[in-house]
Amino acid sequence: DAKTTQPNSMESNEEEPVHLPCNHSTISGTDYIHWYRQLPSQGPEYVIHGLTSNVNNRMASLAIAEDRKSSTLILHRATLRDAAVYYCILRPNTGFQKLVFGTGTRLLVSP
Amino acid sequence: GAVVSQHPSWVICKSGTSVKIECRSLDFQATTMFWYRQFPKQSLMLMATSNEGSKATYEQGVEKDKFLINHASLTLSTLTVTSAHPEDSSFYICSARDDRGRRSYEQYFGPGTRLTVT
Repeated sequence: DAKTTQPNSMESNEEEPVHLPCNHSTISGTDYIHWYRQLPSQGPEYVIHGLTSNVNNRMASLAIAEDRKSSTLILHRATLRDAAVYYCILRPNTGFQKLVFGTGTRLLVSP
Repeated sequence: GAVVSQHPSWVICKSGTSVKIECRSLDFQATTMFWYRQFPKQSLMLMATSNEGSKATYEQGVEKDKFLINHASLTLSTLTVTSAHPEDSSFYICSARDDRGRRSYEQYFGPGTRLTVT
């Protein structure tokens, strides 16, 4: 399984943008980049995913480097409810499409 | 839509007993479900892939005889922790993918079951 590297933790102030980086230098051509987040004592929830182009949805934006060896999850205006562990995951486009979680980034949001 | 439930949400059992955890997809069908385990302050560890109507596929290092998985229908998978010991105490989370949905790329996670073995 291709591995990802994320900072252990990041801090942000409420209503400021947050950029969460992820390195995945061994990504293969057919791997999708997925982001999930896990709020305290809950199961993870899907945030966003992409292959090559940048993506936007109501929760966040995903910026993917041209060589695809890194990506950045962007929360445009952090709220206290965004405090969670954010996981960057590479998902193969074949097989059972299982998700293998790395250590993730714990985002702390201060009022 | 796309809700996954787990039952029970928490359970305490005595060492040596068995505990069954249910994972249900409430509004969609899932031929494949996944079971994870999470220890405090750690990431999720994939235990096994549950396949409807066939045997589960276990990840390396996970004892199949200890963690019995049954995926008897398209909406229900169960995980039974047999002869539980204190080291099995953990947060167990299941997930499922909507095979026929437009968002088939997304996995939906249950709220988790906290198991404490005394």
